[in-house]
Amino acid sequence: ELKVEQNPLFLSMQEGKNYTIYCNYSTTSDRLYWYRQDPGKSLESLFVLLSNGAVKQEGRLMASLDTKARLSTLHITAAVHDLSATYFCAVDKSYNNNDMRFGAGTRLTVKP
Amino acid sequence: NAGVTQTPKFRILKIGQSMTLQCAQDMNHNYMYWYRQDPGMGLKLIYYSVGAGITDKGEVPNGYNVSRSTTEDFPLRLELAAPSQTSVYFCASSFAQGGSSYEQYFGPGTRLTVT
Repeated sequence: ELKVEQNPLFLSMQEGKNYTIYCNYSTTSDRLYWYRQDPGKSLESLFVLLSNGAVKQEGRLMASLDTKARLSTLHITAAVHDLSATYFCAVDKSYNNNDMRFGAGTRLTVKP
Repeated sequence: NAGVTQTPKFRILKIGQSMTLQCAQDMNHNYMYWYRQDPGMGLKLIYYSVGAGITDKGEVPNGYNVSRSTTEDFPLRLELAAPSQTSVYFCASSFAQGGSSYEQYFGPGTRLTVT
């Protein structure tokens, strides 16, 4: 059974600081996704990581994937208040993208 | 493009009632999904479809049924609603073909309360 674990589940940080969110998963998969959800809203795709060593960056967010360690990281650089949201990682259980498993989410609050 | 649309946005059901949550997408995506999100939790896959006429169970299918008669529509049916089905329901779609990114696009959600 594929399990996806994120940590931390809650993160409060000051503006301007750096931090990393971790996503571990329990079985072999080379497709990992990061999503953002604002309170009361739907999910927005941030990154799609499709191979070992994949690294993608968008603004102050950078995601990476290590399939051998079954670990993905979402690194936040110089946080700003607008990044406050819940971040989910999701792993494709099967190779054909038809059975996704989500982590519980990391609720990020960036304080001025 | 409207993307992924869901109706209704909110609904209150009494125990034992039935209803259908509607989902439509206009992006010509072949894959569609239904998830539920309980408060403070991640999403759990209920059912998915890889194309018209093809559906399969996800992680938490009990108490639900789906159909996919067209590429655009993927309704979710709740029979005999129970309080445990109180949740926010998200529909999503993606285009899957060799080498594509498999990114999912989500609808705005339906907030369902069963009392």
